[in-house]
Amino acid sequence: DAMVIQNPRYQVTQFGKPVTLSCSQTLNHNVMYWYQQKSSQAPKLLFHYYDKDFNNEADTPDNFQSRRPNTSFCFLDIRSPGLGDAAMYLCATSGSGPSYEQYFGPGTRLTVT
Amino acid sequence: AQTVTQSQPEMSVQEAETVTLSCTYDTSENNYYLFWYKQPPSRQMILVIRQEAYKQQNATENRFSVNFQKAAKSFSLKISDSQLGDTAMYFCAFMSTGANSKLTFGKGITLSVRP
Repeated sequence: DAMVIQNPRYQVTQFGKPVTLSCSQTLNHNVMYWYQQKSSQAPKLLFHYYDKDFNNEADTPDNFQSRRPNTSFCFLDIRSPGLGDAAMYLCATSGSGPSYEQYFGPGTRLTVT
Repeated sequence: AQTVTQSQPEMSVQEAETVTLSCTYDTSENNYYLFWYKQPPSRQMILVIRQEAYKQQNATENRFSVNFQKAAKSFSLKISDSQLGDTAMYFCAFMSTGANSKLTFGKGITLSVRP
């Protein structure tokens, strides 16, 4: 089945130790999104790619970066995780155009010790 | 900037009953899209229903229907014949039609379906 896959599902990292989360999709969608979701809160958009064009939200900390080497893969890099970065990170994809549904992955739960 | 408001943090409904989840939004745009997403506990978020603002007819998907009141900027979700599997967090979301448009989510509502 076509889907959005996130690895790992659970990630534990130490305070200040860089970590990379990955997302892949088999939907051939040209838009990919990264969201941060804290407990019982709405997802917060960090950035998105429209094809290779990178769009950063104004309030996304510099500590967060992203790479999209090809259509299928997208990575979220957290350079120096702090305790406040512990959250669920959701990857989503969509076709072009606002009427297109966003398909979400299962998320990666990041714990910072 | 658009805002989406879900004022009820949680609701509970008896299995087989009907429940309505409220959502209001604010925008100066005339054309846009509205969504309800469902996020079950420890499971991924999925789209429940979508409404185009230019369509007067309310969207329906099986047991799920919306009451879209454009003038009042209201977009409520009605779940008929509630099932235990409907237990989840529900997010109302807005998306404009412009370039690089993105979802603006409400805070969400936790719905519990009681057996």
